Amino acid sequence: EAGVTQSPTHLIKTRGQQATLRCSPISGHTSVYWYQQALGLGLQFLLWYDEGEERNRGNFPPRFSGRQFPNYSSELNVNALELEDSALYLCASSDTGVYGYTFGSGTRLTVV
Amino acid sequence: EDQVTQSPEALRLQEGESSSLNCSYTVSGLRGLFWYRQDPGKGPEFLFTLYSAGEEKEKERLKATLTKKESFLHITAPKPEDSATYLCAVQARGGADGLTFGKGTHLIIQP
Repeated sequence: EAGVTQSPTHLIKTRGQQATLRCSPISGHTSVYWYQQALGLGLQFLLWYDEGEERNRGNFPPRFSGRQFPNYSSELNVNALELEDSALYLCASSDTGVYGYTFGSGTRLTVV
Repeated sequence: EDQVTQSPEALRLQEGESSSLNCSYTVSGLRGLFWYRQDPGKGPEFLFTLYSAGEEKEKERLKATLTKKESFLHITAPKPEDSATYLCAVQARGGADGLTFGKGTHLIIQP
C-alpha cells in the first residue's frame, strides 16, 4: 500500500513569490492535514481538509491556503512568501473514525 | 488551549542503557495520545496511540504508558538505530484542531 506522497521534495523560492505544495493521501483516506515544522519549533497545525471542504485552520495568516480535490489529494498554497516561511511542510492523512495520522516525507521550502 | 511538553529536550545514552522520555499534557478531553519517531529530514513515523489512563503498548524495545497527566516512552536496551527525535502529540475530543505536538526529545544512542 502506497503511503502519503508529497511533491516536490525540495522547493526554493524568492521572497514575495508563491509556492504550491502537493499531497496524495493513502488510498481510502478522506482527511488531509497540513503541518509546518520550522527549525527549532514543533509541528504547527496549518489546515485540515475532509471530503473536499476546509474543516479547520491553525493560527496562520490567510496567505496560507489550500484545497482538496475530488480524489482527496490536496494542495497547499503560500502566497507572498516571507523568509520565515522556510520550513518543512508535512502532509498527513487519516481515515474517518481512525485515530492517528500517517505522515508523508515532507516538502522542504526554502525562501531566499 | 491544549499543550504538550516533552522532556528532556535531548538525551544521550550508551547502547544498552535503558531510559524514559516524558510527555506532559493538558487537553480538554483526551481523544488519544500519540507517539511518533522522526528521523532527520523525514516525516514522523507512527509508533503508538494510547486512549485511556493505565493503557500500555509495546513495540520491540519501546513501551508507552499513559496516566491522566503524562505519558512515558520507555526504551529498553537501546541500539544506535533507535537514535531519532521522538514526538508526542494529543488529540482532543472533537479533534477539530488536529494533533497538538510537543517539540520532541532528540535521542542519541552511542555504540
